[in-house]
Amino acid sequence: AQSVTQPDIHITVSEGASLELRCNYSYGATPYLFWYVQSPGQGLQLLLKYFSGDTLVQGIKGFEAEFKRSQSSFNLRKPSVHWSDAAEYFCAVGSFSGGYNKLIFGAGTRLAVHP
Amino acid sequence: EPEVTQTPSHQVTQMGQEVILRCVPISNHLYFYWYRQILGQKVEFLVSFYNNEISEKSEIFDDQFSVERPDGSNFTLKIRSTKLEDSAMYFCASRRARGDTEAFFGQGTRLTVV
Repeated sequence: AQSVTQPDIHITVSEGASLELRCNYSYGATPYLFWYVQSPGQGLQLLLKYFSGDTLVQGIKGFEAEFKRSQSSFNLRKPSVHWSDAAEYFCAVGSFSGGYNKLIFGAGTRLAVHP
Repeated sequence: EPEVTQTPSHQVTQMGQEVILRCVPISNHLYFYWYRQILGQKVEFLVSFYNNEISEKSEIFDDQFSVERPDGSNFTLKIRSTKLEDSAMYFCASRRARGDTEAFFGQGTRLTVV
């Protein structure tokens, strides 16, 4: 069965520090992978996605993620965190059955940013 | 920029009452979804809807739940007899076409069953 694991429930970083959020997936075929961000009181906003090709993908707000098939990972990174990045981050895999019927989400990582 | 809108943002209902959560997907989108997030837990898929019928539903989506696209613009989730454990944030999402990979999410409706 498909699943997504985000090992870190909470992460706290200082503003300006680098960030890496971990995501591991379990999926039988080539995965379609996503990172979403949820700010307080907001919906889920897509940061970036991976389907094929270059394993390092760039997203919005200065985020990037690297797909590593050998490690079944899709970690999210940002070189320098801003206070406005404080939010909850969800990794998800797209489950294909006749064309991407649903997303399977990880439990999320809540990011706090210290000034 | 087009967006998915959900109403109300917060609804409180008594156990056993029926609730209808409303969503207006992006106008040219064809695939529609409901997800829910119980407080402190992961976002879970409930149902997908295409061409006026359910294309997939999860185990959570039992006979108490139904979805409808009554007028070509709204997409609703009905819970017939709410239970305390239905308290959650419910997200609507839409996707434009079969080949598109991005689903756009609404801001959610927080349902509190008391």
